[in-house]
Amino acid sequence: AQSVAQPEDQVNVAEGNPLTVKCTYSVSGNPYLFWYVQYPNRGLQFLLKYITGDNLVKGSYGFEAEFNKSQTSFHLKKPSALVSDSALYFCAVRDSPGGADGLTFGKGTHLIIQP
Amino acid sequence: EADIYQTPRYLVIGTGKKITLECSQTMGHDKMYWYQQDPGMELHLIHYSYGVNSTEKGDLSSESTVSRIRTEHFPLTLESARPSHTSQYLCASSDGLAGVNTDTQYFGPGTRLTVL
Repeated sequence: AQSVAQPEDQVNVAEGNPLTVKCTYSVSGNPYLFWYVQYPNRGLQFLLKYITGDNLVKGSYGFEAEFNKSQTSFHLKKPSALVSDSALYFCAVRDSPGGADGLTFGKGTHLIIQP
Repeated sequence: EADIYQTPRYLVIGTGKKITLECSQTMGHDKMYWYQQDPGMELHLIHYSYGVNSTEKGDLSSESTVSRIRTEHFPLTLESARPSHTSQYLCASSDGLAGVNTDTQYFGPGTRLTVL
């Protein structure tokens, strides 16, 4: 069975500082990894995904994520945080073809950017 | 953002009522999904569909049912609502083919259901 862990319930960062939101995963095959962001009373917005290739993936709103196979991690990063980045962030994983088709989500990390 | 719509956005209803949550997308995606999310918590897959007349149960057991008569429409029905059904329900769609897991799922805004 596949699983995702987001070890931090909340991350606090000062505006302008770099941010990291951590994610580790477990799958039986090759992982397909996703990051989504959720603003209050809204659905999830897709940020980026890793399928194969370059371990550094660039996405929307200046976010990027680094895939590390040996550490089974896919941490979300941004060089300079904005107050508007404050939201709930979800990491998700899918197994390689043949597994269940839905996404398996982590519990989410609240990102709070302080002015 | 993706063109995927859910109605109603908020619903407060009494125990025992039958309800249908609507989800529609205008992108022609074959694959559609329903997830359940308690406030501030992770999402759990409850139903998915690979196309017309295809429906499958997800990882989380649910008393709800779904149908897929048209490509663009994937409604979820609860025959008799109970307080334990109180949650947020999120619909998603993707343009991948069955068995291909690299496609991106795009989410609707969600329906927040409260059963009294």
